[in-house]
Amino acid sequence: QKEVEQDPGPLSVPEGAIVSLNCTYSNSAFQYFMWYRQYSRKGPELLMYTYSSGNKEDGRFTAQVDKSSKYISLFIRDSQPSDSATYLCAFIQGAQKLVFGQGTRLTINP
Amino acid sequence: NAGVTQTPKFRILKIGQSMTLQCTQDMNHNYMYWYRQDPGMGLKLIYYSVGAGITDKGEVPNGYNVSRSTTEDFPLRLELAAPSQTSVYFCASTKAGSGHYNEQFFGPGTRLTVL
Repeated sequence: QKEVEQDPGPLSVPEGAIVSLNCTYSNSAFQYFMWYRQYSRKGPELLMYTYSSGNKEDGRFTAQVDKSSKYISLFIRDSQPSDSATYLCAFIQGAQKLVFGQGTRLTINP
Repeated sequence: NAGVTQTPKFRILKIGQSMTLQCTQDMNHNYMYWYRQDPGMGLKLIYYSVGAGITDKGEVPNGYNVSRSTTEDFPLRLELAAPSQTSVYFCASTKAGSGHYNEQFFGPGTRLTVL
């Protein structure tokens, strides 16, 4: 069983749609849950992180964590063409090492 | 602050050649990392360092070596390049403290092709 499974996509949605991105994980020791955004030919940038079950909002973005089900989600409301990127879920191991999902390529069509 | 810088941006190697990927950060971060990203995949950890003189293996260290003689620099050495090492390589750094998460900052990447 892979340590992290991310719905691979790709996803293509119209502007203004609500987008849902999802990951499952198997390692109960993961303590921090992150979403990175990666534009084409760029390095990843941290979008959001949380360490507890529940929801965390930041503008149009909501990160949701369910530790009991080992499941995390990222919701994007009122999606914009500028949101077109690859989204990677990530988890922390010891020495702050990141374990990434394989990424979902998202395209928002004007 | 330049952040995390990587050189070169692109490189084509022949099988069996060697090269060093350079990584420098100017944020006085103690932890540094090397990841590789294959097409359509997430990033995998190659090596990491928690301070000058201290390095350790990540998930995919075979075929690579690192050193950390200064806080700022963390070069990655490829010996005897193989086609399986064709990938995009990202360096990252963070100021790690105890008990909480600190953001890792990534460089722009080095795109390497081995033919």
